Amino acid sequence: AQSVTQPDIHITVSEGASLELRCNYSYGATPYLFWYVQSPGQGLQLLLKYFSGDTLVQGIKGFEAEFKRSQSSFNLRKPSVHWSDAAEYFCAVGNQAGTALIFGKGTTLSVSS
Amino acid sequence: SQTIHQWPATLVQPVGSPLSLECTVEGTSNPNLYWYRQAAGRGLQLLFYSVGIGQISSEVPQNLSASRPQDRQFILSSKKLLLSDSGFYLCAWDWDSNTEAFFGQGTRLTVV
Repeated sequence: AQSVTQPDIHITVSEGASLELRCNYSYGATPYLFWYVQSPGQGLQLLLKYFSGDTLVQGIKGFEAEFKRSQSSFNLRKPSVHWSDAAEYFCAVGNQAGTALIFGKGTTLSVSS
Repeated sequence: SQTIHQWPATLVQPVGSPLSLECTVEGTSNPNLYWYRQAAGRGLQLLFYSVGIGQISSEVPQNLSASRPQDRQFILSSKKLLLSDSGFYLCAWDWDSNTEAFFGQGTRLTVV
C-alpha cells in the first residue's frame, strides 16, 4: 500500500542554520511528490512538487527537495532558516487509486534565535 | 485564477448540536473536492472526497456526512456533534489525485 513517512515529529533549528526534513514514501510506480507548509491556524500551501525530470526541484521561500528513487526519499532542504519558517511541514505522494494525495503526519519546525 | 473559500473560520458548538461547514471553489469547473480533519500530532485525515455532484466517498466511518449539491460547493455536516468531533477541518480541491491540491484556510471547531 502507498504510504508516506516523516520520521521526525519535531525539529528545532537555529536561525541561519541549514535544514533538512526527511520524507520516505512507498509507491508502486514513479511517484508524484509534494511538500506543503502550514502556518498555525492556516491552510496548507504548496512549497514544491516533483513529477519528473530533474530530481532536484526548487520551490518557494528558498526551499528545495531532492528525489532519490534508490532511497525512496524526497527530503526538503533549506540552506539558511529564517524565524518565519517555523511551521508544520507535510510531505505527500500522489495516489494511484485515484483518491486524494497521501500525506505524512507532518514535521513541526521550531526556529531558535 | 482559482480560489477556495471555507467558512466559518472558528466555531464553538455544544455537544449534540448540528454542524454545517461550507466550502466553495471559484474559477474552475468539475474539481475534485475533499474534507480533511487535522488533530494534533496525527497529520491530515481524509474524511470525504467527491469527484462530481452528488458523488461522495467516505474514507472513515464517523459522525459526519458530506454533500455536494453544486459543482463547486462541498458541505460537511453532522446531526449531533460529539466532543471527539473537535478539530481543525480543511477543505481542498484538485483536478486530479496526482496533481497539486489547493487548501482552504480551515475551520477550527470546538465542541463543548
